[in-house]
Amino acid sequence: RKEVEQDPGPFNVPEGATVAFNCTYSNSASQSFFWYRQDCRKEPKLLMSVYSSGNEDGRFTAQLNRASQYISLLIRDSKLSDSATYLCVVLISSGSARQLTFGSGTQLTVLP
Amino acid sequence: DGGITQSPKYLFRKEGQNVTLSCEQNLNHDAMYWYRQDPGQGLRLIYYSQIVNDFQKGDIAEGYSVSREKKESFPLTVTSAQKNPTAFYLCATRTGGFQPQHFGDGTRLSIL
Repeated sequence: RKEVEQDPGPFNVPEGATVAFNCTYSNSASQSFFWYRQDCRKEPKLLMSVYSSGNEDGRFTAQLNRASQYISLLIRDSKLSDSATYLCVVLISSGSARQLTFGSGTQLTVLP
Repeated sequence: DGGITQSPKYLFRKEGQNVTLSCEQNLNHDAMYWYRQDPGQGLRLIYYSQIVNDFQKGDIAEGYSVSREKKESFPLTVTSAQKNPTAFYLCATRTGGFQPQHFGDGTRLSIL
């Protein structure tokens, strides 16, 4: 089982739609959670951190469910510019070491 | 990301040749990382360094070498032992604690 699993998609949605991505993680020692966005042939860029109480940044809402070990990203009112691959990232502590593990990403295409 | 410079942007390697990819940062981050990304795939960790003069192997270190003589610099050498080096190479840094990573804009390596 992969440490961080995402539905690879692709998700094809019309402009204005609401779309949700889920990500599950297997290590209960996971302590920090992030969503990154990666455009085609570009580097990943931090979209938002995910906090235990859930957090919102404009059209984007991130949720964390520690009991079920999953995080989610909700995008409302999708724009063409939201088309990208969304990466779920988990930070795991092991003693004094901290390691980030990336999911393989979920591809989103927003259609006009 | 501003503050993380990868060079060159494109690199071609001949058979039997070693090549070195540069990663420089002015963010004063302690930790630096090298990832490899193949087309349509997720990120795979090659090497990482949490402090100067120390580094650890990631999941796919064979055929690669690194050094961390200065905090600002973490060069990656792709040796001739790496038989399939064609990929997108990403350098990342992290300040520590529970903070996320930030990425350079990558180097594309191809075989001649």
